[in-house]
Amino acid sequence: AQKVTQAQTEISVVEKEDVTLDCVYETRDTTYYLFWYKQPPSGELVFLIRRNSFDEQNEISGRYSWNFQKSTSSFNFTITASQVVDSAVYFCALSEGAGNNRKLIWGLGTSLAVNP
Amino acid sequence: DSGVTQTPKHLITATGQRVTLRCSPRSGDLSVYWYQQSLDQGLQFLIQYYNGEERAKGNILERFSAQQFPDLHSELNLSSLELGDSALYFCASGRQGAGEQYFGPGTRLTVT
Repeated sequence: AQKVTQAQTEISVVEKEDVTLDCVYETRDTTYYLFWYKQPPSGELVFLIRRNSFDEQNEISGRYSWNFQKSTSSFNFTITASQVVDSAVYFCALSEGAGNNRKLIWGLGTSLAVNP
Repeated sequence: DSGVTQTPKHLITATGQRVTLRCSPRSGDLSVYWYQQSLDQGLQFLIQYYNGEERAKGNILERFSAQQFPDLHSELNLSSLELGDSALYFCASGRQGAGEQYFGPGTRLTVT
């Protein structure tokens, strides 16, 4: 069955530390998509990145980087030089289905607290 | 701002009542998704509509129903409400294929 596991429930760091959020997934599909979303204290869900199963290149966007490893079914997210504004719950999700019939399977989220 | 709008922002109602949550997708998006987020269950996919047709169904209770109208806005109807239905309900919209989903601000439902 499709499943997303975020083993870290809560992480607390001090500002400027680097932090990695882990995501491990299970799927039988050969084509699938992985996502990261951020949910700040205000409650909205903000899209961060999408990665398809054929593209194992790592991606960097400013202080954010993502490491996709198909061999270990992992899609980890690293924040470099964390800031207080990074405090949020971060969700990893897996897209299952085909064509226009897709739904996201979500991990339970990792709550990140960045302290000044 | 994702471009997805949801109303109302907050809703407080009593057990046994019925409520309707409304969602307008981003311009150009044909797919609408509904999710429920509660403390004990996390984010749960409820249902997806694509251009007016139901396309995927998740853990949606029989007391809940949804539809997508010709102008693409969607409504989620929750009836015979129970205390356990208290949650944050999100609507998301997206384009074709496996594109990312953009979420509205959510409707916080409190059942007393």
